[in-house]
Amino acid sequence: AQSVTQLDSQVPVFEEAPVELRCNYSSSVSVYLFWYVQYPNQGLQLLLKYLSGSTLVKGINGFEAEFNKSQTSFHLRKPSVHISDTAEYFCAVRAQKLVFGTGTRLLVSP
Amino acid sequence: DAGVTQSPTHLIKTRGQQVTLRCSPKSGHDTVSWYQQALGQGPQFIFQYYEEEERQRGNFPDRFSGHQFPNYSSELNVNALLLGDSALYLCASSLAMGTGVNNEQFFGPGTRLTVL
Repeated sequence: AQSVTQLDSQVPVFEEAPVELRCNYSSSVSVYLFWYVQYPNQGLQLLLKYLSGSTLVKGINGFEAEFNKSQTSFHLRKPSVHISDTAEYFCAVRAQKLVFGTGTRLLVSP
Repeated sequence: DAGVTQSPTHLIKTRGQQVTLRCSPKSGHDTVSWYQQALGQGPQFIFQYYEEEERQRGNFPDRFSGHQFPNYSSELNVNALLLGDSALYLCASSLAMGTGVNNEQFFGPGTRLTVL
């Protein structure tokens, strides 16, 4: 079975500051890793995914994530956030099915 | 090209009632998955339909059932509603289950179910 841990339930940050949202996973088999964003009253939108190859993955809206197999982590980063990045972010792993973490609320203030 | 659509957007039911939620997949997609997202939680996998059959199921009771139609649209049915069934129900569509994880899932906006 797979599981995902997002240790930070909420991350407050000022506009134009860098941010890192942490994600750790556990699995007995190889998995694929994803980050999704959910804006208020909307469904989920895929930010980026790691399937294989380069461990640094670039996604939409200036986000990137690094797969670290030894630390079983897939942290999401952005060098400079905008007010519009305020949303809920979900890390997910997939072997047979997609398993989500509990989410991290990113709050960007001016 | 319409993405994944779900209806209704909101629904209020009372305990013990039954509810049906509907999902139309993105054009060209043939696989539909359903998720329950309780308030403050991540989505949890309910089940997945492909070729009109349930192919995978998460840890949900038999009160949760589904159906997929020949046009690939899908319904989620929940019987004997409990207060704890209040959640956002998300539908996701993808192409050709089982062909690998490049079959990205596209999510609909969800149906907000409130059970009183």
